[in-house]
Amino acid sequence: NAGVTQTPKFQVLKTGQSMTLQCAQDMNHEYMSWYRQDPGMGLRLIHYSVGAGITDQGEVPNGYNVSRSTTEDFPLRLLSAAPSQTSVYFCASSPRTSGRTGELFFGEGSRLTVL
Amino acid sequence: AQTVTQSQPEMSVQEAETVTLSCTYDTSESNYYLFWYKQPPSRQMILVIRQEAYKQQNATENRFSVNFQKAAKSFSLKISDSQLGDTAMYFCAFFVYNTDKLIFGTGTRLQVFP
Repeated sequence: NAGVTQTPKFQVLKTGQSMTLQCAQDMNHEYMSWYRQDPGMGLRLIHYSVGAGITDQGEVPNGYNVSRSTTEDFPLRLLSAAPSQTSVYFCASSPRTSGRTGELFFGEGSRLTVL
Repeated sequence: AQTVTQSQPEMSVQEAETVTLSCTYDTSESNYYLFWYKQPPSRQMILVIRQEAYKQQNATENRFSVNFQKAAKSFSLKISDSQLGDTAMYFCAFFVYNTDKLIFGTGTRLQVFP
């Protein structure tokens, strides 16, 4: 069972470079989201999607773009990386219509360093 | 706005002992869910336990139990018979029914010593 798959696991960028963090899930979950984890700040919601073609901003959306063209995929794009975006990024999904309890299924995380 | 507060950045406990991690939250909503997630050194986020706000009975999962005090907006996690594998970061999280956002606390790092 693949679950939620994130790639790459590790990435080093230079300031100003762009990149995309990939997220795919094979559980047919309607809801997908991206969080960033920073020391002392817990996990903060960047963007989320409740279905294909629908996205919305979370708590810290600036500097990030998302799209949801399919149910399975939810990529996170950094258009011009900044050192403040150095973090660990988590993709998470849930079967939104199944009770909507908020329980999330997480990927293994992607560590991004911006120099 | 919904907020989750974990006031203990770090805690330690000896193997086989009991430890309690604290969490408080703030909301004006009445229908919500509370969670404890565990993040071991592997970085994987693992659901430990879930509590529905409408249930008065405290949730339990084997050695893990919660003390849910709705009026006080408190949701503590008790780990009994602590094991070395319990060493991890623990996050309290809060979800309001019919919203699309799971709000996390800042985490408590738990170290279990032999």
